[in-house]
Amino acid sequence: GESVGLHLPTLSVQEGDNSIINCAYSNSASDYFIWYKQESGKGPQFIIDIRSNMDKRQGQRVTVLLNKTVKHLSLQIAATQPGDSAVYFCADRDYGGSQGNLIFGKGTKLSVKP
Amino acid sequence: DAMVIQNPRYQVTQFGKPVTLSCSQTLNHNVMYWYQQKSSQAPKLLFHYYDKDFNNEADTPDNFQSRRPNTSFCFLDIRSPGLGDAAMYLCATSTRDYYGYTFGSGTRLTVV
Repeated sequence: GESVGLHLPTLSVQEGDNSIINCAYSNSASDYFIWYKQESGKGPQFIIDIRSNMDKRQGQRVTVLLNKTVKHLSLQIAATQPGDSAVYFCADRDYGGSQGNLIFGKGTKLSVKP
Repeated sequence: DAMVIQNPRYQVTQFGKPVTLSCSQTLNHNVMYWYQQKSSQAPKLLFHYYDKDFNNEADTPDNFQSRRPNTSFCFLDIRSPGLGDAAMYLCATSTRDYYGYTFGSGTRLTVV
């Protein structure tokens, strides 16, 4: 991920709508990607992951799409609920270059209106 | 449940007074990481241990040190905290092949 600046992008959605959160990464050698949810005052919580040999993976109410051509990752949340309100981070890993360390994107703050 | 536990959740320290944050894990993971997260920013990796091998990030200040006495525990030592070190400190673990990343709940450090 690319982490720059102090201002988090924000996304505001209505309860029940679908949410799409986007992330760009810069390292073409990244082979593994994770989406995390972070609530205020808590540590990042794993949502879903995807390996570079896939372009789509689905979980419960969440789908991750990977476009390696443009180095873009997205997280789709279906039927968004108030409990989904949090900051969402993407993270990517370069197994060879950085010994598997995760590099986080800047994060997106999701607000769900009831 | 297997997990990563950080203590304390909140730590207040005086400017320049050494402070230690602790992390323990019951996952038996080989790799342990320390991240610093400032307000409204993404977590930033400080260093990690692969078993007993310490790996420092190039831009981590010398003021930050770490110890890993055994597989389960890892400590973050800040030798002389400055106001700019106030942040959330996150401990994480992963398997030896860098999967299964798991984060603790973090320690919020305040420097006064």
